Amino acid sequence: GQQVMQIPQYQHVQEGEDFTTYCNSSTTLSNIQWYKQRPGGHPVFLIQLVKSGEVKKQKRLTFQFGEAKKNSSLHITATQTTDVGTYFCAGPGLIFGKGTKLSVKP
Amino acid sequence: DTGVSQNPRHKITKRGQNVTFRCDPISEHNRLYWYRQTLGQGPEFLTYFQNEAQLEKSRLLSDRFSAERPKGSFSTLEIQRTEQGDSAMYLCASSLVGGEAFFGQGTRLTVV
Repeated sequence: GQQVMQIPQYQHVQEGEDFTTYCNSSTTLSNIQWYKQRPGGHPVFLIQLVKSGEVKKQKRLTFQFGEAKKNSSLHITATQTTDVGTYFCAGPGLIFGKGTKLSVKP
Repeated sequence: DTGVSQNPRHKITKRGQNVTFRCDPISEHNRLYWYRQTLGQGPEFLTYFQNEAQLEKSRLLSDRFSAERPKGSFSTLEIQRTEQGDSAMYLCASSLVGGEAFFGQGTRLTVV
């Protein structure tokens, strides 16, 4: 499997602020998936990106896949307390990054 | 419930004992994955199956760990001679090839 690195490890934001997490690979990825894990829960699938330069939106969440297919990002606009959790990217073979833990202060 | 099912949910065992966990995937899913997760860390890949074939096993996995998926349906993960460092949440996930993965609730192992 191909390893992916995520930054930052932690992000603390005030409710209403934006949040971005980045996922990077040293090799080209055929696809990338994003998952969210709530505290005490298990990872839940958010989205899969396959095409170079792909951008997908889910309400306040925007996912991007880089042109070189070596990096990806997840951006949340105007965070809410329900966004709290750890966001993971996973490369082919479902190899997970270490995740970005998001906390939101009301 | 037609999701991924894992049993038991919790297991406490003494150091040196063997333990076995079971995962029942979503029935039409041909891929099945095992992960280990400790507090504050991401799911650490252990192994995965496509149907009954074990296609990849982490180099981090010691010989004390073995997994099977004998009929391409449910899978078992066995840990022999457990150590305190094996204490973790063991997660199972299933998917179609190239599709999204669905995770079970996990088995929390505590080695005392």
